[in-house]
Amino acid sequence: NAGVTQTPKFRVLKTGQSMTLLCAQDMNHEYMYWYRQDPGMGLRLIHYSVGEGTTAKGEVPDGYNVSRLKKQNFLLGLESAAPSQTSVYFCASSWTGGLMNTEAFFGQGTRLTVV
Amino acid sequence: AQKVTQAQTEISVVEKEDVTLDCVYETRDTTYYLFWYKQPPSGELVFLIRRNSFDEQNEISGRYSWNFQKSTSSFNFTITASQVVDSAVYFCALIGLYAGGTSYGKLTFGQGTILTVHP
Repeated sequence: NAGVTQTPKFRVLKTGQSMTLLCAQDMNHEYMYWYRQDPGMGLRLIHYSVGEGTTAKGEVPDGYNVSRLKKQNFLLGLESAAPSQTSVYFCASSWTGGLMNTEAFFGQGTRLTVV
Repeated sequence: AQKVTQAQTEISVVEKEDVTLDCVYETRDTTYYLFWYKQPPSGELVFLIRRNSFDEQNEISGRYSWNFQKSTSSFNFTITASQVVDSAVYFCALIGLYAGGTSYGKLTFGQGTILTVHP
């Protein structure tokens, strides 16, 4: 049981380049999330999805797009990377968001550097 | 809006000392969950504990203990007899459940506390 898997683990981009981060979960979770972690700021929610075909904005969505075409996958896209998007990105999934919510399961993170 | 504050940016202790990590939260939701996560140097996030707003009992798990006080909106974490392996970044987080609705599981994190335990 792999849990939540992020691809790639490391990436260096030049300003203006585009890329997609892939998150895959094998727990049949409905809810999926993308967070970014920056020093002194904790983790902040970028976008999330409450089911296949749905997406919603989080706290810091600008410069990112997401898609959830399949329940097990949640893609995070950067159309034109900027140095401000240098960060560690975490994907997470959970069973539900309501009272029966379990803890979120996190991927191992993707360290992205934009030069 | 929800907010989680971890006022201690960095803490440095010597092995076997006890250490308390502070967490203060703000939410208008009457039902909420509080969490602690550990991020070791390897970078992954490790779930430590979840506590719901209806349960103010303190919890102890081995060397770890948590003190939840609704009156002060605090959820502090104590490590007893710290060890070098406890060195990590620790995050406190909150999920608020909107009245009659759902939070969709969105976590609000504190800034994190870097704990260094020296041998």
